[in-house]
Amino acid sequence: SQQGEEDPQALSIQEGENATMNCSYKTSINNLQWYRQNSGRGLVHLILIRSNEREKHSGRLRVTLDTSKKSSSLLITASRAADTASYFCATLALGFQKLVFGTGTRLLVSP
Amino acid sequence: DVKVTQSSRYLVKRTGEKVFLECVQDMDHENMFWYRQDPGLGLRLIYFSYDVKMKEKGDIPEGYSVSREKKERFSLILESASTNQTSMYLCASSPLVAGEEETQYFGPGTRLLVL
Repeated sequence: SQQGEEDPQALSIQEGENATMNCSYKTSINNLQWYRQNSGRGLVHLILIRSNEREKHSGRLRVTLDTSKKSSSLLITASRAADTASYFCATLALGFQKLVFGTGTRLLVSP
Repeated sequence: DVKVTQSSRYLVKRTGEKVFLECVQDMDHENMFWYRQDPGLGLRLIYFSYDVKMKEKGDIPEGYSVSREKKERFSLILESASTNQTSMYLCASSPLVAGEEETQYFGPGTRLLVL
């Protein structure tokens, strides 16, 4: 399977703390994307980072990519209760047009 | 605003029934996708389509078929529903052009229970 893996599977923090989740993948990629899924809903795209980029920011989100280690991390700073959701990484492999999703990290942010 | 809609949020069917899940997007996207999501397994691609009347098998096509007669509509068909097809089904679309548009836009999902 080409599926990526997120780590940890679940993360529980307090409001105001930072949350870091990691993603590992197996093949060479064109880009890596992070998505959020609120309970029982569809996925929403958060951020995309290309294989030639090392870091990207969007609001309270910071994504890093290390293609030599085939890994990425998503940092959410100053977490809020509304950030409670599952977070998925997805990779677009070179030469393919379909995304491969990881198994997700469940984040719980307590007030 | 970008919109992908799915015909039902919840569906209960009996084993052996033929089930139709419909997805409509209003963004004029070329690509459309059907996934199923199960606990611990993440999202797995069932079928996708690059254009009208075109379809490609994903990672788990067995027991499913699809239809894309119009650009905006992509249907997933369970020919004879089985209990192991109980799952959350997610539809997504994306444009064909490379770039930031490679992101996918998801519908709200259909939670299917097969009894």
